[in-house]
Amino acid sequence: DIVMTQSPDSLAVSLGERATINCKSSQSVLYSSNNKNYVAWYQQKPGQPPKLLIYWTSTRESGVPDRFSGSGSGTDFTLTISSLQAEDVAVYYCQQYYSTFPTFGQGTKLEIK
Amino acid sequence: QVQLQESGPGLVKPSETLSLTCAVSGYSISSGYYWGWIRQPPGKGLEWIGSIHYSGNTYYNPSLKSRVTISVDTSKNQFSLKVNSVTAADTAVYYCARSRSMSHYDALHIWGQGTMVTVSS
Repeated sequence: DIVMTQSPDSLAVSLGERATINCKSSQSVLYSSNNKNYVAWYQQKPGQPPKLLIYWTSTRESGVPDRFSGSGSGTDFTLTISSLQAEDVAVYYCQQYYSTFPTFGQGTKLEIK
Repeated sequence: QVQLQESGPGLVKPSETLSLTCAVSGYSISSGYYWGWIRQPPGKGLEWIGSIHYSGNTYYNPSLKSRVTISVDTSKNQFSLKVNSVTAADTAVYYCARSRSMSHYDALHIWGQGTMVTVSS
């Protein structure tokens, strides 16, 4: 299994400030034949299903604000919210879909400071 | 607009079989994509259970594979999940979802609202 480990488990950021969530995979999720990292990020608000924010490490899903960005390669990945808004309070999950058995990180709870 | 809706019993007794269905609207399952199940125990993270293509090709979580069956019914445009010999550890919100592309190796793009299943006598 590929284990995805997020840090921190929780994060409190002031409105308008930058929020950074990290995700580390236990093995590389970079597929050499297409040079793509098989990582996605999801946002989950209370009582709602997860919402896909970013796929292929850095491609924003349609309709996702450009304050959300993803980066990284190999085993280390980052989700950045450039200027935190009140509606961004949620739990964020990274996911690898490199293997036949996709796995998620444990989640990072983002709150307003 | 593609929509997914889970349905099934909200309460299952220990050792029995959990059965859920995901009804798909706005898209024909037999046109492609992978259709999957993910669960989330109360207050915990997401666990991928498995996925299926209309052709019958399936992928399963190795830790659940011995107890899980995912099937598709193209005539009803739905797919189903069965988990045998359930215990309290199977208590969770169960989501169905669709892959972002025709490949299994892609993110999960469209999600149902989820259905809570409690395992208890």
